[in-house]
Amino acid sequence: DAKTTQPNSMESNEEEPVHLPCNHSTISGTDYIHWYRQLPSQGPEYVIHGLTSNVNNRMASLAIAEDRKSSTLILHRATLRDAAVYYCILRDRSTNAGKSTFGDGTTLTVKP
Amino acid sequence: DTGVSQNPRHKITKRGQNVTFRCDPISEHNRLYWYRQTLGQGPEFLTYFQNEAQLEKSRLLSDRFSAERPKGSFSTLEIQRTEQGDSAMYLCASSFGSSGNTIYFGEGSWLTVV
Repeated sequence: DAKTTQPNSMESNEEEPVHLPCNHSTISGTDYIHWYRQLPSQGPEYVIHGLTSNVNNRMASLAIAEDRKSSTLILHRATLRDAAVYYCILRDRSTNAGKSTFGDGTTLTVKP
Repeated sequence: DTGVSQNPRHKITKRGQNVTFRCDPISEHNRLYWYRQTLGQGPEFLTYFQNEAQLEKSRLLSDRFSAERPKGSFSTLEIQRTEQGDSAMYLCASSFGSSGNTIYFGEGSWLTVV
């Protein structure tokens, strides 16, 4: 299954926007791009997903490159509660496969 | 709370003992997944079920590991003859419908083998 690559860590100041990048150069046409985040000692939490068009929800925005080989999760105003590990994964909608491969994600530190 | 529920949340066991974890997915979710996660790493896929059928298993799932979902609802993950390397958080997740859909995770079950 297609894999993703993300920077190991990023820092942001509180109340500033954060752009978290993800590369998925081997993405197939039927892969959805999903983002999750994980707080310490908790399971991953769904953030947002998209296929081709940019997406917005109450938590974040997802910007997808035109060739779909990369995407960016945008937190418009980072808060201390946004400090977490962020994972970008691909989920193939065309097959019966259930597996999604998580990398090690990006650890976001938010400074007050 | 109607999210994915996992029990027990924490388990400490002696090497060589058997342990079992239970997962109750979100109601009506037909797919259920097990992942394992160690400190500093992302979740690693173990296995998944569609209804009661186990459709995929990772090579990580050695013969000491067995997962079941007998009635297509809750699932159990059993580890026999535990080893210290089994110490990890075991995550359960569920989803509804097709493969591309969102998966919802439980809070995990921590296993410490001493």
